[in-house]
Amino acid sequence: DIQMTQSPSSVSASIGDRVTITCRASQNIDNLLMWYQQRPGKAPSLLIYGASNLQSGVPPRFSGSRSGTDFTLTISSLQPEDSATYYCQQAIIFPTTFGQGTRLEIK
Amino acid sequence: QLQLQESGPGLVQPSGTLSLTCSVSGGSVTYNNYCWAWIRRPPEKGLEWIGAMCDTGKTYYSSTLKSRLIMSADTSNKLFFLNLYSVTAADTAVYYCAPYSKSEGWFDPWGQGTPVTVSS
Repeated sequence: DIQMTQSPSSVSASIGDRVTITCRASQNIDNLLMWYQQRPGKAPSLLIYGASNLQSGVPPRFSGSRSGTDFTLTISSLQPEDSATYYCQQAIIFPTTFGQGTRLEIK
Repeated sequence: QLQLQESGPGLVQPSGTLSLTCSVSGGSVTYNNYCWAWIRRPPEKGLEWIGAMCDTGKTYYSSTLKSRLIMSADTSNKLFFLNLYSVTAADTAVYYCAPYSKSEGWFDPWGQGTPVTVSS
């Protein structure tokens, strides 16, 4: 299986901060990388697909990028509703695999 | 708009069988290039893919669960089923169902999830 390693496992930031979460794949996955947001008590929801494409309805402060097997989710200006756990997921090989998650807390 | 709803027993005895149902509404369950997947989130852990039934008729199972897992479907009633046998406390989790787009590689949308606790 392809291993997806997220860092950090948790982060605390203030409103208006720029936040970056990284996901590293154990092998090449091209751009087949998704990001999901899971707010407390809610189901995960798709944020970004194809490494850098925003799902419809997702605020533009979210963005994604790729450098080789490293992928980055960036929140440009943190808002209170961004408090959640974020997961990456590779889709180049089925069965798919997820990262272990990054918990984002608002200070 | 596609909606999914998971249902299950809530509490299962160790060594027993966990049976879950995913009910789909607002759309078809026979789209080409789609699979119907189960995913779980154990307490304080990340998401774990369990398995999926695909439009090709093939069913895929997690390598760590496949010896204890059977998935099935009643597509005429838009229902998907998961049966996990010989459960232990390690199977305690919130269980989700979601459609998987094989062409795009995403799970979307997700059901709200059903919590399952394995305990005596």
